[in-house]
Amino acid sequence: SAVISQKPSRDICQRGTSLTIQCQVDSQVTMMFWYRQQPGQSLTLIATANQGSEATYESGFVIDKFPISRPNLTFSTLTVSNMSPEDSSIYLCSAAGLIGENEQFFGPGTRLTVL
Amino acid sequence: TQLLEQSPQFLSIQEGENLTVYCNSSSVFSSLQWYRQEPGEGPVLLVTVVTGGEVKKLKRLTFQFGDARKDSSLHITAAQPGDTGLYLCAGATPGGGADGLTFGKGTHLIIQP
Repeated sequence: SAVISQKPSRDICQRGTSLTIQCQVDSQVTMMFWYRQQPGQSLTLIATANQGSEATYESGFVIDKFPISRPNLTFSTLTVSNMSPEDSSIYLCSAAGLIGENEQFFGPGTRLTVL
Repeated sequence: TQLLEQSPQFLSIQEGENLTVYCNSSSVFSSLQWYRQEPGEGPVLLVTVVTGGEVKKLKRLTFQFGDARKDSSLHITAAQPGDTGLYLCAGATPGGGADGLTFGKGTHLIIQP
């Protein structure tokens, strides 16, 4: 399995500001994804981070609010823009394509609190 | 929209007991994964089932994929306090390639010593 790291691990931010979360994988992967998880709840897919092209967003998520970059096969960023308290959540990145196409491995998550 | 219904949502049992967690859908999945997540950490992959009717064992954990690839179960034998955690099932849609996973709501499992 891959080792996936995220930075920051947690942050407390003021409403109206933006935060960029970084995700680094220790090996090249085919696919990278971003999820959101409310504490104690399940995961909801935000978008697929595509290398060299615009991310593919799920229903309810838009690029202006969650811009995503993926400059290469090992790195991606998610920005949470113009934050409000409703954006308080855990944001997780995952990677796939190492062993089986549909097996995903997750980073430790970034816990975001918006005041 | 594909949905995965997981049950039970919460389960608290004594050490040594057996339990089963269910994951059901009206949709067909090309594969289904089970994850375990502890507080402050990302989900950790336990197993992937791909073939209808497939059964996989991981020590005291037995995973089964339904014949129609719409449902799955996780059975734990002689549960231990170390099994405590959030168990998540996640399905991948048919069509090949890697897609974002659809997650069930999770089962919060507490094993009391």
